[in-house]
Amino acid sequence: AQSVTQPDIHITVSEGASLELRCNYSYGATPYLFWYVQSPGQGLQLLLKYFSGDTLVQGIKGFEAEFKRSQSSFNLRKPSVHWSDAAEYFCAVVISGGYNKLIFGAGTRLAVHP
Amino acid sequence: GAGVSQTPSNKVTEKGKYVELRCDPISGHTALYWYRQSLGQGPEFLIYFQGTGAADDSGLPNDRFFAVRPEGSVSTLKIQRTERGDSAVYLCASSRTSGEEDEQFFGPGTRLTVL
Repeated sequence: AQSVTQPDIHITVSEGASLELRCNYSYGATPYLFWYVQSPGQGLQLLLKYFSGDTLVQGIKGFEAEFKRSQSSFNLRKPSVHWSDAAEYFCAVVISGGYNKLIFGAGTRLAVHP
Repeated sequence: GAGVSQTPSNKVTEKGKYVELRCDPISGHTALYWYRQSLGQGPEFLIYFQGTGAADDSGLPNDRFFAVRPEGSVSTLKIQRTERGDSAVYLCASSRTSGEEDEQFFGPGTRLTVL
């Protein structure tokens, strides 16, 4: 079955430090890949997505992610974290099948120290 | 314009009771999705509507769960004989079409607590 793994349940970084959140997927073909952010009391917000083409994709709020087929990974990065980035981050895939059924990972909770 | 709205934001009920959760999608969005997010987990797909019809209800846990979208806009998720294990945040999302490349816009969720 298709699945998404986010190995890190909780990450803490200092403000201004770089960030990388890991995501691995299990699927036979190239899926459509997404990163969402969920802040307390807020709905899920799309950060970025990968469908095809350039494997390095840029998103909102200064985030980027790189698709690596050989590693079945789609890691999220940010060069300099801001305190407002503290939130929960979810990686998700859509298995191409004619509609947009998202399969989410368990999430990584990011804490930012001043 | 307005985003996806969900009511109520919180619902506390007793075991065995019936509850209805409402979702108002973005106007004009034909696709609507329900997900359930348990504590410490990512959202899990429940059901997908294209227009008025449930095109995929494979995620509904059992026959106590049912959802409708009679006019192709507002949707209601209905849970009969609630159990403590139904406690979770129920999320609704809509997209302009059902295409894989169309962004899903999520509502803030309804937090259901079954005592």
